[in-house]
Amino acid sequence: DAGITQSPRYKITETGRQVTLMCHQTWSHSYMFWYRQDLGHGLRLIYYSAAADITDKGEVPDGYVVSRSKTENFPLTLESATRSQTSVYFCASSEAGRGTDTQYFGPGTRLTVL
Amino acid sequence: DQQVKQNSPSLSVQEGRISILNCDYTNSMFDYFLWYKKYPAEGPTFLISISSIKDKNEDGRFTVFLNKSAKHLSLHIVPSQPGDSAVYFCAAADFGNEKLTFGTGTRLTIIP
Repeated sequence: DAGITQSPRYKITETGRQVTLMCHQTWSHSYMFWYRQDLGHGLRLIYYSAAADITDKGEVPDGYVVSRSKTENFPLTLESATRSQTSVYFCASSEAGRGTDTQYFGPGTRLTVL
Repeated sequence: DQQVKQNSPSLSVQEGRISILNCDYTNSMFDYFLWYKKYPAEGPTFLISISSIKDKNEDGRFTVFLNKSAKHLSLHIVPSQPGDSAVYFCAAADFGNEKLTFGTGTRLTIIP
């Protein structure tokens, strides 16, 4: 299916465990983004990527690691999950990276850290 | 420091009436503004945008107004329909910057 997909959709893990959230897009968009959505904070940018092997920090990068070896995939890893990382995570992509370009969002992953 | 603010966490409007969602920003470098709409268990989807060279942009039932001197924008939905019930996020960008800054969202409920 064309579009942007995220897996898993729901994940429960324990404090200290490593978790990887997957994001895949079929449009060959250059830019990809990871956001987290929390009540009272809206959507906050964690990391973004301009192309394969090019990544940069967003507003709240601490505790997260990203990689982008292929244009279509942009996994987000929590190396040692903490309760404060309980959130809904959204991946997005855009054709070019300008703020004026529409970002297309995946359906989200709800992560609970116990 | 919240650079984009949506001060109303929720709003209820009767079906057929006008819905007005508000957004304020503090960063004068922002020159492009967007509204995204989000249904439960789905990702946000783009709704409408406006450049700082304009003060109004219209798309069907949706109109966005920009007041640069007040650093304020608003989204008007006329007439409101039950399918408009969703969370609406305001976002801002400065030209050439890849990043969007989102507001905290307003939950709109349309009452039949």
